[in-house]
Formats: sequence, structure tokens, C-alpha cells
Amino acid sequence: QVQLVESGGSVVQPGRSLRLSCAASGFTFSAYGMHWVRQAPGRGLEWVAFISYDGSRTYHADSVKGRFTISRDNSKNTVFLQMNSLRVEDTAVYYCARLDTSVFNAFDIWGQGTMVTVSS
Amino acid sequence: QSALTQPASVSGSPGQSITISCTGTSSDVDIYNYVSWYQQHPGKAPKLMIYNVSNRPSGVSNRFSGSKSGDTASLTISGLRTEDEADYYCTSYTTTTTLVLFGGGTKLTVL
Repeated sequence: QVQLVESGGSVVQPGRSLRLSCAASGFTFSAYGMHWVRQAPGRGLEWVAFISYDGSRTYHADSVKGRFTISRDNSKNTVFLQMNSLRVEDTAVYYCARLDTSVFNAFDIWGQGTMVTVSS
Repeated sequence: QSALTQPASVSGSPGQSITISCTGTSSDVDIYNYVSWYQQHPGKAPKLMIYNVSNRPSGVSNRFSGSKSGDTASLTISGLRTEDEADYYCTSYTTTTTLVLFGGGTKLTVL
């Protein structure tokens, strides 16, 4: 079935790096732009980053620009989020999500999320 | 860029109807008919409930409906059920490089 599975979340110290992965299955991954969305404990959803279907375009939220980098490997049906110079305020559940632009113009598929805790 | 504005909480009794508002600006909600709504239960991933302002994905109850007027979108849930108790978020495309804006979220309590 159509699904996204995130991995890579962990407890890390401030200033360290972490790479998240999101494996897709059940749909033509290379045809879709993909996003990362995060949710700090007890807080709302925050858009983090986008990558186009072919990886040629990327956008990042101002709060992570210069520290986080989204990328993808269409041969492995996987999208990544490289997180450098992590801060305490980056602590959150990180979701990858498919934004369908042909019908829904919305995030129609979400992963289960992976928890990142930044703490000394 | 600031998030879309939603009330922090709303409540209703079983069988009643409630409406959640989502206010944006001339850079997002006002100019795009790409407003969507998500339901999130505790510890779960968000679920798409409404897309393109007023459309329901297959499998979503027709008790959920959406609308928009100017820079404000609305989600209405009729015939409230206990299982509707959750957090609800709106989103909209935006002309800025943020690409997608989320609302701050509304906690629905079914009394």
C-alpha cells in the first residue's frame, strides 16, 4: 500500500548533526515533490523543507535555512533531511509528507514521524 | 512568515455543529483555492480531511465541510461525535518561499 516510513530520529547534543530518511512505497515516488514537516512537543505543525520531483528545486523554512538540507534518491525511493548545527528548538517529531499537486494540492500521504531530541 | 490564524480551542456537544476559522492574508488564503484541513489525534500523523477549500477525500465523512470567503477559510463539522475530538490544522499555499503555511491548530473538545 501507499506509505512513507521515516527513520533516523535520535537524541543528539546541540551543535551536532543528524540525517533523517523517509522511504516511500506503493506509488511512483519520482513523480512527486516531497516535504518535511515538524511538530515540537505540544506545538503545532511547521513546514520545514520541499524538494521537487526530480530534485532540481529545493526550498527551506527560514528557521532551518543554512543548517538543514533536503535531498532525494529516486533510485531508492527515499527523501532525506540532513540536519546540521542542531539547536534545542529543533526538538520535534519530523514527518515526511507527499504533496499531491494533481488532485488534492494538499499533503495526502504522511509518514508516522520520527522523533528528534536535541539536548545536552 | 506568520502562521495562519486559528482559534486555539473550540468545543461542542455530540450532535451539534462547530466551525473552525482559518485567517490568512492576501499572500495566501485570499488568492489561492488550495486551502486544506487536517485532523490529528494524539500521537498520530495528520490526516487530510478537506482539500481545495471544500472537497473531501474518499472515505472522509460528509459531516466535514469546508468553505472560504476572502482571506478566511472555515471547517464545519456537523453531527459531532466523540471520535471527532482532535486537533485540526489548516494549510494554504503562499506566494512566499515558505511555500506552505500551516495554521496554529485548533483543539476540538466534544463535551
